[in-house]
Amino acid sequence: GAVVSQHPSRVICKSGTSVKIECRSLDFQATTMFWYRQFPKQSLMLMATSNEGSKATYEQGVEKDKFLINHASLTLSTLTVTSAHPEDSSFYICSARGGGPRSYEKLFFGSGTQLSVL
Amino acid sequence: KQEVTQIPAALSVPEGENLVLNCSFTDSAIYNLQWFRQDPGKGLTSLLLIQSSQREQTSGRLNASLDKSSGRSTLYIAASQPGDSATYLCAVNTGKDAGNMLTFGGGTRLMVKP
Repeated sequence: GAVVSQHPSRVICKSGTSVKIECRSLDFQATTMFWYRQFPKQSLMLMATSNEGSKATYEQGVEKDKFLINHASLTLSTLTVTSAHPEDSSFYICSARGGGPRSYEKLFFGSGTQLSVL
Repeated sequence: KQEVTQIPAALSVPEGENLVLNCSFTDSAIYNLQWFRQDPGKGLTSLLLIQSSQREQTSGRLNASLDKSSGRSTLYIAASQPGDSATYLCAVNTGKDAGNMLTFGGGTRLMVKP
């Protein structure tokens, strides 16, 4: 099946620094990627949708200047948390729309990134 | 606004038991519903996808049902095994294209004891 690779799996950083998270589709072209955030014991919440070559669409309440999303190629999307603060500590996970027949139905998820901001 | 609720939030059972996980959603206008498994450090794995026109899907020991009119879905796991221990998420898709209209439940954390 389709594989989505997400790195790093865990990052600890100081408050005020920026952190970049990468999401790669390894064996298919992902025209659309999605970024989710999950706080402990809570649901995954969609943060933004990114289409290759265009600006990301952010969900209500998500600061686009804080969470920079770049989707410059069909296999790579990045999420940069700028000037991270402790309240940004969360589990971030990406997903990509799969290829093949009826691809619109399926998403493939990365393994997630646990961000801890001290 | 679509809201998805999963009950129970946590479940611990001895190996071999059959069990049922519940998912309810508030807006019945959905395209499909998907059950995922979430393992720490391994992201999400899609288990079963049920189209809005379907009533159930089966894969091995897993059976998922959908009652769209009542806003409910269940995931039935037969003969549970310790390897089934994980968090199970249901997600409803209210958009034709997968992803941007996906609403997740809070998950059920399952522990199967040997």
